[in-house]
Order: sequence, then C-alpha cells, then structure tokens
Amino acid sequence: AQSVTQLDSQVPVFEEAPVELRCNYSSSVSVYLFWYVQYPNQGLQLLLKYLSGSTLVKGINGFEAEFNKSQTSFHLRKPSVHISDTAEYFCAVLILTGGGNKLTFGTGTQLKVEL
Amino acid sequence: NAGVTQTPKFQVLKTGQSMTLQCAQDMNHNSMYWYRQDPGMGLRLIYYSASEGTTDKGEVPNGYNVSRLNKREFSLRLESAAPSQTSVYFCASSPPGAAGYNSPLHFGNGTRLTVT
Repeated sequence: AQSVTQLDSQVPVFEEAPVELRCNYSSSVSVYLFWYVQYPNQGLQLLLKYLSGSTLVKGINGFEAEFNKSQTSFHLRKPSVHISDTAEYFCAVLILTGGGNKLTFGTGTQLKVEL
Repeated sequence: NAGVTQTPKFQVLKTGQSMTLQCAQDMNHNSMYWYRQDPGMGLRLIYYSASEGTTDKGEVPNGYNVSRLNKREFSLRLESAAPSQTSVYFCASSPPGAAGYNSPLHFGNGTRLTVT
C-alpha cells in the first residue's frame, strides 16, 4: 500500500532562516508526490508536485522539494522563510485506481515562523 | 471562479441529529471527494465519486452516506451524529486524465462541525 510519513508534527523557525519539512513515502510502484499548504481557516492549496523527470521540483512561494528514490523521501525546503509561511504543510501520494485517483495524506507539519 | 463551494461553513449538532453537508464545483471535474481533518491525523478520505453515478468508500466511511446528485454536486450526510464526528470536513474535486495528475485535488474551504 502507498503511504507517506511526516516525521515532524511541529517545526518552529525564525524568520529568514532556512527550513526543511520531512516526508518519507512507501510504494511498490511508480510514485506521484505532492506538497499542499493549508493557511488558517482555509482549504488546501497545491505547493508543488513530482510526477517524473527532474528530481528537484520548484513550487510556489519559493519552496522546492527533492525526490530521492534511494531514501524514499520527498523533503520540502525553503532557503529563507517569512512570517507569512506560517501554515500547516501536508505531503501526499497519488494512488491510481481504475475508479478514480485518490490522494493519501500525511499527518501534517505545522510550520511556525517567529520573529 | 467559485471553484469548490461548501455549505455550511459552521455547524453545531446534538448527538443523534442528522444533517447534510453540501458541496458543488463549477470546474466540470469528474471526480469528487469528502475528507475529514482531525488534529494529528491529517486528512482521511471518507467517500469519493469517480464520476457521476458512482460512489465508493474511502478510509473512514462508517457513520456517513453520500450522494452524487449530478456532475456538479456531491453531498455528505450524517444520519445520527456522534461526538466522534466532530471534525473539519473538506470537499474536493479532481479533473480527469492527465490533468488529474498535474493538479489532483481542488479543495473547498471546509465545514467545521461540532457534535455535542
């Protein structure tokens, strides 16, 4: 079965510092991986995706993630965070089925950016 | 561009009461989904509908029913609410084919349900 694990439930960081949010996946077939962001009292928005090709993918708001097959990881990074990046971040894996595609989410990482 | 619209935004129910959460999308997407979000548990799939006329159970379907009324609308019903169903409920939709890989889910803003 395909699944994702987010190892950190909360990550505090000071503004302008770099951050890495960790995600590991398990899958026996080709993987399609995603990061979503959820700002307070809102739904989820797509940050970036890995479908195939280059293992370094860039998303919105200066975020990037690297797909590492040997380590089964898809960690999210930003070199310099801003207060506005405070949000919850979800890693997800796309499961392809004949009856429609489904996303399975990790448990989320709360990023708190402090001054 | 309304996207995915959920109603109501907030709801308080007493144990045993019933209610229906409404969801509509105007993006002509084939697939629609209901998730619940609980602290420390991420989003868990309740039910989904791959296309009009079909519905399937997700990870946590017990206590819920769904109706895919037409291509636009997908409702979630709680027949007899329980405190364990206190949660934030998200509806989402997905385009078909390759577009579904590129941007798999478009979310509504959620319904915050409290069952006392």
